[in-house]
Amino acid sequence: DSGVTQTPKHLITATGQRVTLRCSPRSGDLSVYWYQQSLDQGLQFLIQYYNGEERAKGNILERFSAQQFPDLHSELNLSSLELGDSALYFCASSVRGRGEQYFGPGTRLTVT
Amino acid sequence: AQSVTQPDIHITVSEGASLELRCNYSYGATPYLFWYVQSPGQGLQLLLKYFSGDTLVQGIKGFEAEFKRSQSSFNLRKPSVHWSDAAEYFCVSNFGNEKLTFGTGTRLTIIP
Repeated sequence: DSGVTQTPKHLITATGQRVTLRCSPRSGDLSVYWYQQSLDQGLQFLIQYYNGEERAKGNILERFSAQQFPDLHSELNLSSLELGDSALYFCASSVRGRGEQYFGPGTRLTVT
Repeated sequence: AQSVTQPDIHITVSEGASLELRCNYSYGATPYLFWYVQSPGQGLQLLLKYFSGDTLVQGIKGFEAEFKRSQSSFNLRKPSVHWSDAAEYFCVSNFGNEKLTFGTGTRLTIIP
């Protein structure tokens, strides 16, 4: 158990809908990262937050957004969902920059 | 461009045999390097990390990895594999920043 929690574990929704994925980092970790794992793209970095502020952006679509709250939990919002958004979404946290990251169990999103 | 390459998509090893998974990186300096393992339906677990110093690093579950600057490699080894080692293994780096760049992964199958 990494100490990073993600909810829900599975999510099935229809095209055009909006969903919110939630992540709680390890106790004491200020950085939260979101990654997407798909069969065709592999594991890709989406976005990072540090202590409530956006720190870095990767290959994140404009339809996707995230935020980190004062209690340090983070939410990833995916809107206008398309079939191609079906993937495993991971959250990770770290205590400091460039150090190791600890991953949650992931949320499997299926868009039908 | 900065990248991590895992040349072997799939490796099959007999239980009790030794294992070596290959990883090469492309970067102008020494990156931070990691190996993560993903069991079926599970999240990503950190096996070991290299930041600097001793080029042979020990990790969990009996794994070790050797950093070779001259070959831009960070190969993962285990002297004797167990059936429970069957999983997907990812070589990972952060190239001077905080986001992780993943290799494409090597799927390890163990035969009895």
